[in-house]
Amino acid sequence: AQTVTQSQPEMSVQEAETVTLSCTYDTSESDYYLFWYKQPPSRQMILVIRQEAYKQQNATENRFSVNFQKAAKSFSLKISDSQLGDAAMYFCAFPNYGGSQGNLIFGKGTKLSVKP
Amino acid sequence: EAGVAQSPRYKIIEKRQSVAFWCNPISGHATLYWYQQILGQGPKLLIQFQNNGVVDDSQLPKDRFSAERLKGVDSTLKIQPAKLEDSAVYLCASSLGAKPGGSYNSPLHFGNGTRLTVT
Repeated sequence: AQTVTQSQPEMSVQEAETVTLSCTYDTSESDYYLFWYKQPPSRQMILVIRQEAYKQQNATENRFSVNFQKAAKSFSLKISDSQLGDAAMYFCAFPNYGGSQGNLIFGKGTKLSVKP
Repeated sequence: EAGVAQSPRYKIIEKRQSVAFWCNPISGHATLYWYQQILGQGPKLLIQFQNNGVVDDSQLPKDRFSAERLKGVDSTLKIQPAKLEDSAVYLCASSLGAKPGGSYNSPLHFGNGTRLTVT
């Protein structure tokens, strides 16, 4: 069974600085996708970034990038030049290959605070 | 494109009462998901539809929860009777297809959710 673990319940960062959120997972699949979602107080889950396991290059989306280490089953999210609008819950997500294809398994989330 | 629409935004009911949530997915999205998010946790899948058929309802408490997706578009999720532990945010999501994880090119799009409080 797939599992997703986020070990940091809360993180804090100063505006304009960089923060890294951790995520580890467990799977027997060799090719898969990984996702980071952001959930602001509006409650809508917003896709931040995604990574395909077979791609060597780490994904980047503007100020967001990942550090994907397949052997270690680690998928961390780096936010550069943090902005007040980045304050939210961040969830790491992994596809449920063991069950019906298509749905995601989410970690417990990391609450990110941004200090002005 | 219009996003996933959900209503109501908030609902407060007493235990043993019934409640229904509505979801309208993004036009053309064949797959629809209902997730339950208890405070302090990540979303957990309740049920997944592919068009109007159920793909996965293994984590749906079928003695009290029911869901349908008529005509493969809108969906309703019902709880009857509600329990205190049903207090949560109920999120609806949709995607174009049902490939693993929604697939790289067809990620899940979420609505704003319904916050349910059972007293």
